[in-house]
Parts: sequence; C-alpha cells; structure tokens
Amino acid sequence: GAGVSQSPSNKVTEKGKDVELRCDPISGHTALYWYRQRLGQGLEFLIYFQGNSAPDKSGLPSDRFSAERTGESVSTLTIQRTQQEDSAVYLCASSAPSGGNEQFFGPGTRLTVL
Amino acid sequence: AQSVSQHNHHVILSEAASLELGCNYSYGGTVNLFWYVQYPGQHLQLLLKYFSGDPLVKGIKGFEAEFIKSKFSFNLRKPSVQWSDTAEYFCAVNGGSQGNLIFGKGTKLSVKP
Repeated sequence: GAGVSQSPSNKVTEKGKDVELRCDPISGHTALYWYRQRLGQGLEFLIYFQGNSAPDKSGLPSDRFSAERTGESVSTLTIQRTQQEDSAVYLCASSAPSGGNEQFFGPGTRLTVL
Repeated sequence: AQSVSQHNHHVILSEAASLELGCNYSYGGTVNLFWYVQYPGQHLQLLLKYFSGDPLVKGIKGFEAEFIKSKFSFNLRKPSVQWSDTAEYFCAVNGGSQGNLIFGKGTKLSVKP
C-alpha cells in the first residue's frame, strides 16, 4: 500500500477487556515498530520486529501487552485486561532494509479505556 | 540509557519570525538524528534526518537542523515561519544497533497569522 495503515482508528473499551490493534506496514518494509503516545507525552517505544529475528520487546510496559507479526506483513498489538492508564494513541511505523532507519508512521489508533 | 530533551513545550510566534527549537540527546556513540512533524489531524511525518556527513541538513518546507556533536544537540531552525507551520515537532534519535527511535516529548508550535 501507499503508506502504513492502522485499524481501528478509534477504540473505546471498558476496563478489564482485551483489545487488539492492527498495523499494515508498507510493502517491502522488513522492520515494524509499535509506539504509544499518552496525552502530553512523547512517543514511547513498545516493541520492534525485524525480519525473522526475535522481536525486541524491551519497551513493553507489562505482561498484559503482547504483539505478533506474520512474516513481514501485518502485526497485531494485544492488550489484555485493559487499565485506564493504557489510554493513549498507539502508533505503528515501518522502515525499509536500506532506509537508514527512517520510519514511516501510520495514523494511529486512539484507545480510550473507561 | 538514551534520552532526548526538547527544551520548549509550547512556542508561539508571529508569521515571518525566525524559529529555533532545541533538542539535546544523551548517547556516547554514533547516532542517527531525526525531526518529525505532526500537523493538526495528520500523522507523524519526517521533516529531516542526519546520518553522517555535513552536519547542517536541510529538510522539507525550508526547515534545517544542525548537528553539533560536542554539544549533543540537533536544533531545528527556520528563518521565517508561516501559519501553516503550526504543528507539533518531535526530535528523535537512535544509536548503535538499536532499531527503535527515542523521542523527545515534543514542542508545540503555534504561528499567529
């Protein structure tokens, strides 16, 4: 596709429910990143996939957060037993193998936990 | 650990004023440096980047940034801002073998017409 796409654009859920967020990277981009942006804060790294290597999960804030990626394609970020502090915009980015780590961002999913 | 500091949370300028947004990072090795911009209602897009070579880099829409290694800085500049530059600006860095970017908290720029 022309750019990184994410779905849904908005998600409102109740505390304790599980949510799944989806990211479609730019075709051919081997690296995929998840970040979150809480109100008034910068982007916070969550997880990074590079090709077939084991993902870098060092940014995941708790074991309620997990992510999967199918090959070099779609990724889903799952948050289990959501808490109010999980409310944020979740951003996905991808980068090309020879792009010098220039990351292209999607529009984000705004998650609101009531 | 790497970190990025952006000195100004909110900057308000009149059109045609000059702009300089500060960015300092902490990392001792080779770094790649970026400025991203987020216009109202739009997603993040790359403004400019520095990997190596000339420390003065030029980006889109008349923006430029200067990498000063001795000061660990990568300040963003524009000689004359326009109302359409109203946006939030994020400085980011990654270094070594790290894949992810470390972002500053962002600077909101409001340009008065």
